[in-house]
Amino acid sequence: DGGITQSPKYLFRKEGQNVTLSCEQNLNHDAMYWYRQDPGQGLRLIYYSQIVNDFQKGDIAEGYSVSREKKESFPLTVTSAQKNPTAFYLCASSNPGLAGRHNEQFFGPGTRLTVL
Amino acid sequence: GQNIDQPTEMTATEGAIVQINCTYQTSGFNGLFWYQQHAGEAPTFLSYNVLDGLEEKGRFSSFLSRSKGYSYLLLKELQMKDSASYLCAVWKDSGYSTLTFGKGTMLLVSP
Repeated sequence: DGGITQSPKYLFRKEGQNVTLSCEQNLNHDAMYWYRQDPGQGLRLIYYSQIVNDFQKGDIAEGYSVSREKKESFPLTVTSAQKNPTAFYLCASSNPGLAGRHNEQFFGPGTRLTVL
Repeated sequence: GQNIDQPTEMTATEGAIVQINCTYQTSGFNGLFWYQQHAGEAPTFLSYNVLDGLEEKGRFSSFLSRSKGYSYLLLKELQMKDSASYLCAVWKDSGYSTLTFGKGTMLLVSP
């Protein structure tokens, strides 16, 4: 079945360590996104990518980095520079450029990161 | 800038009807999405409106007024499984297909 996978579901790290969250999609979507969700805050955009080898900062990119070497993969690294990394991280993909509903974003199951 | 407002919480009774409102002020507008999110899970698509009016899909309907910057999600015949967070998101026509999300409305359905 086509979809988006994120692993692991739960991740624990010590403060000061970098950690990389994986996101893979087999929907053949061009665009991929990373969001952070905190209680009562909704979804906030970290980074997005419209095409391989290109990505753009979202609203809260500081302390994060991404790469897009393959169409299917968009890993997110949470660096030690991120002051409050504990959160629920959601990856999404879509097919931009098509009008209407086709720009719906499909979400992965999320990774809950806890920094101790 | 952009601003999307939704009520933080709502409660309703099983079998009832509930309306969740969303108002927005954004620098661009190319449509509005509603998503449902159960606790600890991924958001799932409910509806998309780009033209004024009502879109009906089973027990769920969504309304849009572009001139008023206003949308609502209407849930009929509420079921316990409808207890979830409902996210309003605006698609800005900025050349990139980013969505701007509101903070979500937590709906609690009681017996």
